Amino acid sequence: QKEVEQNSGPLSVPEGAIASLNCTYSDRGSQSFFWYRQYSGKSPELIMFIYSNGDKEDGRFTAQLNKASQYVSLLIRDSQPSDSATYLCAVNIFPQNGNEKLTFGTGTRLTIIP
Amino acid sequence: DGGITQSPKYLFRKEGQNVTLSCEQNLNHDAMYWYRQDPGQGLRLIYYSQIVNDFQKGDIAEGYSVSREKKESFPLTVTSAQKNPTAFYLCASSRQYYSNQPQHFGDGTRLSIL
Repeated sequence: QKEVEQNSGPLSVPEGAIASLNCTYSDRGSQSFFWYRQYSGKSPELIMFIYSNGDKEDGRFTAQLNKASQYVSLLIRDSQPSDSATYLCAVNIFPQNGNEKLTFGTGTRLTIIP
Repeated sequence: DGGITQSPKYLFRKEGQNVTLSCEQNLNHDAMYWYRQDPGQGLRLIYYSQIVNDFQKGDIAEGYSVSREKKESFPLTVTSAQKNPTAFYLCASSRQYYSNQPQHFGDGTRLSIL
């Protein structure tokens, strides 16, 4: 099982709809969860982080965390064409040998259809 | 404005040549990181530094070297021992090396083989 898994997509969502991006992780000890947006050819940009179970809202973005199910999601409301990008989930992992580290999923490519 | 500056944006390497990628930050962050991104893959950690004069190997350190002589600077050298260096290289920093500290990225350097 991969440490952090995301569906690679592409995920196509009509403009104005809600986009739902999902991420699962394997380490039950994980405590910190981050969502990054990466436009094609650019570097990742932090958009949300969440540490506690439940929902965290920031503008059109909502991060949802369920530690019991080892699942974190990102909802984008009122999707805009400018939201079209690859979304990376990152989770802190505690390897058996070595220091805690931030592990990235391979990303979900989101396309907003006008 | 505070940020992370990577240079150059594009770099070409000849066979048998070592090349150095620059990363400078003026965010006063203690921790710095180097990642490699290949198409369809997540970010893979090459090296990280928790504090000045310290650095640790990440998951794919073979063929790479780093130094951390100043808090602001964390250069990465891609040596001739790295047989497949073509990739997008990303430098990141965080306030401290702790799980709840978000990492922020520079704009990246694209390295190709001539």
